[in-house]
Amino acid sequence: DAGITQSPRHKVTETGTPVTLRCHQTENHRYMYWYRQDPGHGLRLIHYSYGVKDTDKGEVSDGYSVSRSKTEDFLLTLESATSSQTSVYFCAISAGGGNSPLHFGNGTRLTVT
Amino acid sequence: GDSVTQMEGPVTLSEEAFLTINCTYTATGYPSLFWYVQYPGEGLQLLLKATKADDKGSNKGFEATYRKETTSFHLEKGSVQVSDSAVYFCALTHSSASKIIFGSGTRLSIRP
Repeated sequence: DAGITQSPRHKVTETGTPVTLRCHQTENHRYMYWYRQDPGHGLRLIHYSYGVKDTDKGEVSDGYSVSRSKTEDFLLTLESATSSQTSVYFCAISAGGGNSPLHFGNGTRLTVT
Repeated sequence: GDSVTQMEGPVTLSEEAFLTINCTYTATGYPSLFWYVQYPGEGLQLLLKATKADDKGSNKGFEATYRKETTSFHLEKGSVQVSDSAVYFCALTHSSASKIIFGSGTRLSIRP
């Protein structure tokens, strides 16, 4: 299995608080992604990174920011959590190129009360 | 833009039944096509892939053939097991792109 660790695995937080989720990889892959998974919506891309300090927005980026200061770490921050951000968040990595598959972490279940 | 459409679930079958999960896509050029599987409480895992027309991807008894003429990549298995119960996602990407487009997923339940 690809070495991807997400932390924390579960988190409960209150509306209006900032939250940071961490994704750590040991594969030295160039691309890293954050997705959220919600019933009826499948997987939706929040942000992705194509190198250290190189990031871009996905389809549901509002209310989220990311940072990648090292190849192995990709952080997702909810600047002021809202109940609509209650979801399961998945990190994924890829070596890059269209034929390269994604490898996923086991997810972080976030509940905003 | 590019898109992937999967048959809606849930799909419920008896053990040893034949499985087909339909997937069609809209894309310019020649995308690569993937099937991913998600077991309860886990992230998605690559099940199989095909990178050009008429390629057949296969793994764990599952197969899918890249049909450019019908823009389809249907997933099939001849005899399903209870352990195949999961959510299956069809996906595509282009060689020049850094993003993968996913279908909405199909939940499969297998009865013993």
